[in-house]
Amino acid sequence: TQLLEQSPQFLSIQEGENLTVYCNSSSVFSSLQWYRQEPGEGPVLLVTVVTGGEVKKLKRLTFQFGDARKDSSLHITAAQPGDTGLYLCAGVNDYKLSFGAGTTVTVRA
Amino acid sequence: DSGVTQTPKHLITATGQRVTLRCSPRSGDLSVYWYQQSLDQGLQFLIQYYNGEERAKGNILERFSAQQFPDLHSELNLSSLELGDSALYFCASSVDKGRLHFGNGTRLTVT
Repeated sequence: TQLLEQSPQFLSIQEGENLTVYCNSSSVFSSLQWYRQEPGEGPVLLVTVVTGGEVKKLKRLTFQFGDARKDSSLHITAAQPGDTGLYLCAGVNDYKLSFGAGTTVTVRA
Repeated sequence: DSGVTQTPKHLITATGQRVTLRCSPRSGDLSVYWYQQSLDQGLQFLIQYYNGEERAKGNILERFSAQQFPDLHSELNLSSLELGDSALYFCASSVDKGRLHFGNGTRLTVT
């Protein structure tokens, strides 16, 4: 059983469309991170959110941390084929990160 | 390039065998983490070392062990291998807790 549940598991959209990926947990985290992983590579950190209710923007990506610090969302505006990858959320407590199973995003040209 | 180096990139071995995976962390990073990634389990935390000492343990089997050496490189030893151990094994390093830099992984196939 995953400590963090990500949904949807798979997402396939056309270039230019918007998408949202969700990360939910019953546990409270001191911070939450989002990573993107491409085939043959390790995950790469996109952002860390720390404060409940925090919203961070990274170009076309918007990350939100829930008020209770239990959930988060990632919204991509006008998705591009380069956004294709496995998106992983990770809850941070003490020295350990707990990862969700990930959402595989495919953006078709 | 994350600065974390893992070798080998691929490993194919038979059931019952033992293998060693190696990780060189980013320069200056004292913490090393090992993760296992499989299709059905996602990214599972195995173990963390900080400056040569074990700091945290996750879902690591008794057949698996790890260590971090004085030069801060780390090795993950997997023994009595089973088919279900086939997975991607990632090493990550960090200088502060929570911000991880991952290597490109070792793909282990047990036949």
